[in-house]
Amino acid sequence: EVHLVESGGALVQPGGSLRLSCAASKFTFSIYAMTWVRQAPGKGLEWVSAISATGVSTYYADSVRGRFTISRDNSKNTLYLQMNSLRAEDTALYYCAKLTSPEVWLSRSDFWGQGALVTVSS
Amino acid sequence: DIVMTQSPDSLAVSLGERATINCKSSQSVLYNSNNKNYLAWYQQKPGQPPKMLIYWASTRESGVPDRFSGSGSGTDFTLTISSLQAEDVAVYYCQQYYTTPAFGQGTKVEI
Repeated sequence: EVHLVESGGALVQPGGSLRLSCAASKFTFSIYAMTWVRQAPGKGLEWVSAISATGVSTYYADSVRGRFTISRDNSKNTLYLQMNSLRAEDTALYYCAKLTSPEVWLSRSDFWGQGALVTVSS
Repeated sequence: DIVMTQSPDSLAVSLGERATINCKSSQSVLYNSNNKNYLAWYQQKPGQPPKMLIYWASTRESGVPDRFSGSGSGTDFTLTISSLQAEDVAVYYCQQYYTTPAFGQGTKVEI
């Protein structure tokens, strides 16, 4: 079955940076779009960003646009989220998820990782 | 952006009874070219990632028990658990994937 493992979560000061990784296995990573979804402690799910299978097309929520960058390395079966200018409100569990087609739109998340915890605090 | 609103925020149901969760989108998520509603339902148990139950508003994901069913079209959708089991205690989210993905706020189901 699809396997997604996030890493890179940590405690970081406001204004700091962090890069999350998501290692994918047991499916052909290069032909599926991928996405990041976050969940603040005790709160609901918030879509953050998504990237097409080729990496050519990327999309962001308004709350992170200009601060976060999504990317992927299909040779390493790995998805990334570079997070800069972090704020307290970015504190959350960050999930990576596989989408069901090569393109982002009209595509649902069918498998999710266990998440990486990012805490932004001084 | 499309806003998703679920009701109720929480509900308590006896074992074996029916649970009904509603989800309303601020715009239609029906794609006219294929007549499919781009609406999914997820189940999230404590300490676990979300698990997809239903897609295209009414299609059960492989392996999902048939006591879970989805219905609705356009802007109004429903997730029904026909006979609640102890393992169904969770938070349930609807999500539209017609445009920029958006989730409802979640509905907590308890016994």
